[in-house]
Amino acid sequence: GENVEQHPSTLSVQEGDSAVIKCTYSDSASNYFPWYKQELGKGPQLIIDIRSNVGEKKDQRIAVTLNKTAKHFSLHITETQPEDSAVYFCAAHRSNSGYALNFGKGTSLLVTP
Amino acid sequence: NAGVMQNPRHLVRRRGQEARLRCSPMKGHSHVYWYRQLPEEGLKFMVYLQKENIIDESGMPKERFSAEFPKEGPSILRIQQVVRGDSAAYFCASSPPGLYTIYFGEGSWLTVV
Repeated sequence: GENVEQHPSTLSVQEGDSAVIKCTYSDSASNYFPWYKQELGKGPQLIIDIRSNVGEKKDQRIAVTLNKTAKHFSLHITETQPEDSAVYFCAAHRSNSGYALNFGKGTSLLVTP
Repeated sequence: NAGVMQNPRHLVRRRGQEARLRCSPMKGHSHVYWYRQLPEEGLKFMVYLQKENIIDESGMPKERFSAEFPKEGPSILRIQQVVRGDSAAYFCASSPPGLYTIYFGEGSWLTVV
């Protein structure tokens, strides 16, 4: 199978707190895991990605961790700000389809002031 | 460098009509992907194309839907004899050859009345 499961579906945090979104995947041959942020009425925007030969990657307030053995990966946002409010999608490379991706169902993040 | 360009952004069709959605990939990108997003749901893979070739169409309904990416011009997603269930946002994405990084357009919102 090529499922990507994402949790939670909604997440509400206070400004300044951390937010964590978790995903699992079933295709053991997947080797690329990006995260996208989608604002209302817009297209998904790539915010960070990780390859299977790396366990963790950071970019300012955003980090992604990957446990390839357990087939799960997580997005961590620290010091959240109201402008972080959006829907976040995880994805995994479809190993039988070149460079295409399978997506999770999304997490709606709300950061309250 | 312009991003992935999709048009029209909004399209209204009556049941039974045809819908044509266009996508111009980013400059230098030869891989194009189409995804469908229903309200409150994630992104469902439909089709992956390279210039003049369909690489993977396993996510596309067998009937009424077709896609092409000709040598010259944009990629086209065509939906014949639309039904209300086709109402959704259709996103096109592109990537350069040999790289996993995929960039999305702003989407085309199809409404079938």
